[in-house]
Amino acid sequence: DAGVTQSPTHLIKTRGQQVTLRCSPKSGHDTVSWYQQALGQGPQFIFQYYEEEERQRGNFPDRFSGHQFPNYSSELNVNALLLGDSALYLCASSLGPASGDGSYNEQFFGPGTRLTVL
Amino acid sequence: AQTVTQSQPEMSVQEAETVTLSCTYDTSESNYYLFWYKQPPSRQMILVIRQEAYKQQNATENRFSVNFQKAAKSFSLKISDSQLGDTAMYFCAFITGAGSYQLTFGKGTKLSVIP
Repeated sequence: DAGVTQSPTHLIKTRGQQVTLRCSPKSGHDTVSWYQQALGQGPQFIFQYYEEEERQRGNFPDRFSGHQFPNYSSELNVNALLLGDSALYLCASSLGPASGDGSYNEQFFGPGTRLTVL
Repeated sequence: AQTVTQSQPEMSVQEAETVTLSCTYDTSESNYYLFWYKQPPSRQMILVIRQEAYKQQNATENRFSVNFQKAAKSFSLKISDSQLGDTAMYFCAFITGAGSYQLTFGKGTKLSVIP
């Protein structure tokens, strides 16, 4: 059973460029969340996608956008890259979003994409 | 604001000994879930243990156990019989059950197990 996969593993870009990161969820999962982990910090929530729509967004500017495809895979796009965007970008998948009834479905993480902005 | 504080940036423990990692959190919600994640150098974030806030009994998973003090908003992780493979960053995190979909993480504790 393949877990969460992300591509590419590493990426180097220059300021002002645009980047696209990709994530394939764990088999059977339909929800994808993206997190940014700066060096020496814990992951910060960017957004979550379910049924091809953004369900919730963290405190990130509009330069960060995403997409979910019918096969549940997802892309994270970052425009006008800044030096501060250098980080490990983690994708996590789960079976359905955490629902309002208090239940919770575990998020499984991928190995991440290391983005370096020069 | 929902926050997680891990006050120990780095810790070390001798192999086979016991170590406790500290975590405090702040939320106004009454229904939430708490987690400890392990991130080894391979970067893969792995769930170590989870605790439902409505459960009074502390969770245990083999050598890993937690001390959950809801009134104090404290959630510490105890690792018994430490092994070299336990060397990693450990993150405390929580998610609320009130329609929030995001995990909130602390800054992590770097644990080194010394042979």
